[in-house]
Amino acid sequence: DGGITQSPKYLFRKEGQNVTLSCEQNLNHDAMYWYRQDPGQGLRLIYYSQIVNDFQKGDIAEGYSVSREKKESFPLTVTSAQKNPTAFYLCASSGQRGITDTQYFGPGTRLTVL
Amino acid sequence: RKEVEQDPGPFNVPEGATVAFNCTYSNSASQSFFWYRQDCRKEPKLLMSVYSSGNEDGRFTAQLNRASQYISLLIRDSKLSDSATYLCVVNSGYNTDKLIFGTGTRLQVFP
Repeated sequence: DGGITQSPKYLFRKEGQNVTLSCEQNLNHDAMYWYRQDPGQGLRLIYYSQIVNDFQKGDIAEGYSVSREKKESFPLTVTSAQKNPTAFYLCASSGQRGITDTQYFGPGTRLTVL
Repeated sequence: RKEVEQDPGPFNVPEGATVAFNCTYSNSASQSFFWYRQDCRKEPKLLMSVYSSGNEDGRFTAQLNRASQYISLLIRDSKLSDSATYLCVVNSGYNTDKLIFGTGTRLQVFP
């Protein structure tokens, strides 16, 4: 089946630890995105990538890092510099580079920092 | 002013009712508009794109008013399964991949 997968579904980490969230898609989409969602707030863009080996900061990139070494994969690292990392993290992809297209979401990862 | 504004609700309606949601956006350069549906603790899923001429998909009708910068979603003959949060989404400007998400309007359909 074509789609976007994220793992793990739930993640618990101690404060001060870095953690990497996985996002994989087999839709052959060029663009991929990372968002976080907090209760009562809209999705906020962390990073996005329109092509392999290139990515841009979104609105709330501080404390996060990404890589895009393969078209299918766009992992997100939540570093210890992120002050409030507990949130619902959503990965999305869309088909056409440079043109707004429908974004399709993975099932998300709930990160809780203890 | 928020870039995308929605009434958070909740809208509590009986089965079979017609319900309408509105959304306003601030960037007149926005070109792409969508409604997504998000169930509790799940990812958003595309409900429908919104076209200038308005469009319909079964019980759902979307309208766009560029002059007033608002988008609407009408749901007819509400079902229990329509209970969810509906997100209004617009792109951040002309020819850009960045989308701006509203905080959503919650709908609860009761028997």
